[in-house]
Amino acid sequence: QQQVKQSPQSLIVQKGGISIINCAYENTAFDYFPWYQQFPGKGPALLIAIRPDVSEKKEGRFTISFNKSAKQFSLHIMDSQPGDSATYFCAARGGGSNYKLTFGKGTLLTVNP
Amino acid sequence: ETGVTQSPTHLIKTRGQQVTLRCSSQSGHNTVSWYQQALGQGPQFIFQYYREEENGRGNFPPRFSGLQFPNYSSELNVNALELDDSALYLCASSPTGASGANVLTFGAGSRLTVL
Repeated sequence: QQQVKQSPQSLIVQKGGISIINCAYENTAFDYFPWYQQFPGKGPALLIAIRPDVSEKKEGRFTISFNKSAKQFSLHIMDSQPGDSATYFCAARGGGSNYKLTFGKGTLLTVNP
Repeated sequence: ETGVTQSPTHLIKTRGQQVTLRCSSQSGHNTVSWYQQALGQGPQFIFQYYREEENGRGNFPPRFSGLQFPNYSSELNVNALELDDSALYLCASSPTGASGANVLTFGAGSRLTVL
């Protein structure tokens, strides 16, 4: 059972454009939603995170939008740069297991110069 | 402040063999989690260790086992390797047991290939 569904699988954006990655979850007991960025040969690194009592969180060029009623959240990367090219994972914590994260399948973002 | 270090970085085993992967947690972190990341997939939770005991486990069979040592480092052991065990194994440390998932720090992983 895939509890966190992520789309698209891959995304190509021009430099300066907006990258948008979407995730949907099923378990309403999830209480923390992070996004991770992973470069080839590296482990995932926490990018930004949100709790369900907030509808939006912004950190620099990265914004999470959260829709609790729709059980959806998304990552927006403004002014995308070639250095943002990486795989992005959404995740969720909780649902009776405070100690683990449930990840989406990932989105490979390519930002063309 | 050192990050999470894992060894070996790459290894090749044959079906039926056993493997041990090692992880040193980030300074100040006392909880270690292990994740399996198959090619093209997101990480999947294997188990977590806190105070040298397993305190949570994902949907993995008993041939996946682990240890945590007094210095908070950890090992992941996999017995009777199967082809599907080929993956990147990620170790992540965090400062607490219950809420630590909020601040997971991942290592670069150990790439296991089973032939």
